[in-house]
Amino acid sequence: KAGVTQTPRYLIKTRGQQVTLSCSPISGHRSVSWYQQTPGQGLQFLFEYFSETQRNKGNFPGRFSGRQFSNSRSEMNVSTLELGDSALYLCASSLGVTFSTDTQYFGPGTRLTVL
Amino acid sequence: AQSVTQLDSQVPVFEEAPVELRCNYSSSVSVYLFWYVQYPNQGLQLLLKYLSGSTLVKGINGFEAEFNKSQTSFHLRKPSVHISDTAEYFCAVSDIDNQGGKLIFGQGTELSVKP
Repeated sequence: KAGVTQTPRYLIKTRGQQVTLSCSPISGHRSVSWYQQTPGQGLQFLFEYFSETQRNKGNFPGRFSGRQFSNSRSEMNVSTLELGDSALYLCASSLGVTFSTDTQYFGPGTRLTVL
Repeated sequence: AQSVTQLDSQVPVFEEAPVELRCNYSSSVSVYLFWYVQYPNQGLQLLLKYLSGSTLVKGINGFEAEFNKSQTSFHLRKPSVHISDTAEYFCAVSDIDNQGGKLIFGQGTELSVKP
């Protein structure tokens, strides 16, 4: 079974631009979560989608948004990029049966650099 | 709110020596506990998780962890490490009221195994 895939793997943008990252979950998984990983703040939860609905959201500004499609693929968007948005963005998928105990399977991440 | 503290940011150890990576958590509700490993330039991989039952949990690659409710700890151990265990290790919690896919991570512990 193929794992979680994220595209692109690397991205360079300039301040003020916007960016869209894509995540394809493991086949059969209906829940997709997004995390931001930085050296200073560590791993922080962004949001989670299940059946095209956002079920949970972390403490990030409204510039960070996401969506999920009917095939469970998910995208996240960051508008008006700031230097501090440079990070590794990780996507994780799970079955979505029991949210608290489901194992989350992580993709390799998208490395975003904002210049 | 939950929080996770990994007590050591870096742990150097010689090959074939035992290792313990420490994790403490804080939560007002019951939690589920996870350990993930991240190899360079890769996403996170689940090592083991504690949901209920026996407090000693065995995972992949010879790792095990013990849940101690009174000390709110979930330390990770391996009796004999290999060079290939060099990676960053993250402890995470999910609470029973989790509305969807939200893991709270510790800051990570870099395990460096030397020959």
